[in-house]
Amino acid sequence: RKEVEQDPGPFNVPEGATVAFNCTYSNSASQSFFWYRQDCRKEPKLLMSVYSSGNEDGRFTAQLNRASQYISLLIRDSKLSDSATYLCVASANNTGGFKTIFGAGTRLFVKA
Amino acid sequence: NAGVTQTPKFQVLKTGQSMTLQCAQDMNHNSMYWYRQDPGMGLRLIYYSASEGTTDKGEVPDGYNVSRLKKQNFLLGLESAAPSQTSVYFCASSYRVGEKLLFGSGTQLSVL
Repeated sequence: RKEVEQDPGPFNVPEGATVAFNCTYSNSASQSFFWYRQDCRKEPKLLMSVYSSGNEDGRFTAQLNRASQYISLLIRDSKLSDSATYLCVASANNTGGFKTIFGAGTRLFVKA
Repeated sequence: NAGVTQTPKFQVLKTGQSMTLQCAQDMNHNSMYWYRQDPGMGLRLIYYSASEGTTDKGEVPDGYNVSRLKKQNFLLGLESAAPSQTSVYFCASSYRVGEKLLFGSGTQLSVL
């Protein structure tokens, strides 16, 4: 079982749709969580950090459920430019050492 | 432009050859990382450096070595390249270990 699991998709949605991605992590010592966006053949770029209380940045909302060990990303009013791969990340830095695990990503295609 | 710069962008090696991938950051970040990305696998950590002069193994360190002699530079070495090391390599940096990452644009390495 992968330590961070994501549905690879692809998710094909029309412009204006709302789409949600979920991600589960297995390391209960994980402390920091992020969503990155990666365009084809490009480097990952931070989309947003994920906080326990949930956080929003414009059309994007991230949620963390520590009890169930999952992270979610909601994209409202999808744009063509949202087409990309979304990477979920769980990171732990404790006495056991530093460990950050990337999910394999979920592909999103937004169509006109 | 401020950020993380990797060189080279592309490299083809023959099995058994050696090379060094270079990474430089001008963000005054303390921590630097080397990842590899393979299809369907997500990004995997090879080595990281929490601070200048220190290095630690990540998930997949075998066949690689690293050097962090200066705060702004993190070098990844392949002593004897193998076809299994064909991948896209990303360097990243963060202010502290476990915090949000800033990635370089990547190096496409092919080992024949």
